[in-house]
Amino acid sequence: DAKTTQPPSMDCAEGRAANLPCNHSTISGNEYVYWYRQIHSQGPQYIIHGLKNNETNEMASLIITEDRKSSTLILPHATLRDTAVYYCIVRAEGGSNYKLTFGKGTLLTVNP
Amino acid sequence: GAVVSQHPSRVICKSGTSVKIECRSLDFQATTMFWYRQFPKQSLMLMATSNEGSKATYEQGVEKDKFLINHASLTLSTLTVTSAHPEDSSFYICSARDLGGNYEQYFGPGTRLTVT
Repeated sequence: DAKTTQPPSMDCAEGRAANLPCNHSTISGNEYVYWYRQIHSQGPQYIIHGLKNNETNEMASLIITEDRKSSTLILPHATLRDTAVYYCIVRAEGGSNYKLTFGKGTLLTVNP
Repeated sequence: GAVVSQHPSRVICKSGTSVKIECRSLDFQATTMFWYRQFPKQSLMLMATSNEGSKATYEQGVEKDKFLINHASLTLSTLTVTSAHPEDSSFYICSARDLGGNYEQYFGPGTRLTVT
């Protein structure tokens, strides 16, 4: 069963911020939110992950709501190379809970 | 950063033959590697988890005798598709967990298998 819900597709203008939502209303207290992306015909690329605090790295920012039932991945200045399928995944840490279960993701198309 | 390679990147084989795909972690050690399959316009589906020095754990519905996995070292896992058929044509992707870092999974670039 899918543990996350994402819109199937989104469009964004080049240079603008891309905000990708993810719903994970059944997330458990020990589960992290991970974001990966997959550019066409390539392997997935790790973007960012977080537990409850907002996170930022050189690629993106992750905003997690206080109740942790949803999150938003923000690409601050989208480029054409950011066109990809973005996957939001929830996963616990440690033990045997290391599997990544990919849903259908969101196809983000960055337009010139 | 952590790099995972796959070889070959593309392979075309005839029905009934076997194909071996290699997955290597280039700059880190990985006791656990994963194999995924992705059909066109679909998401990645986990096939099996490969642990160094032990038998792989296959997901439900994946035939272990058809998809042979060997994880002989901390940097190499292989997937052999035996007696391949056209329905095995797919994009095969491996990933590896970095033990020395933060246990993140890093993905290879994938192998496109076409069975004619």
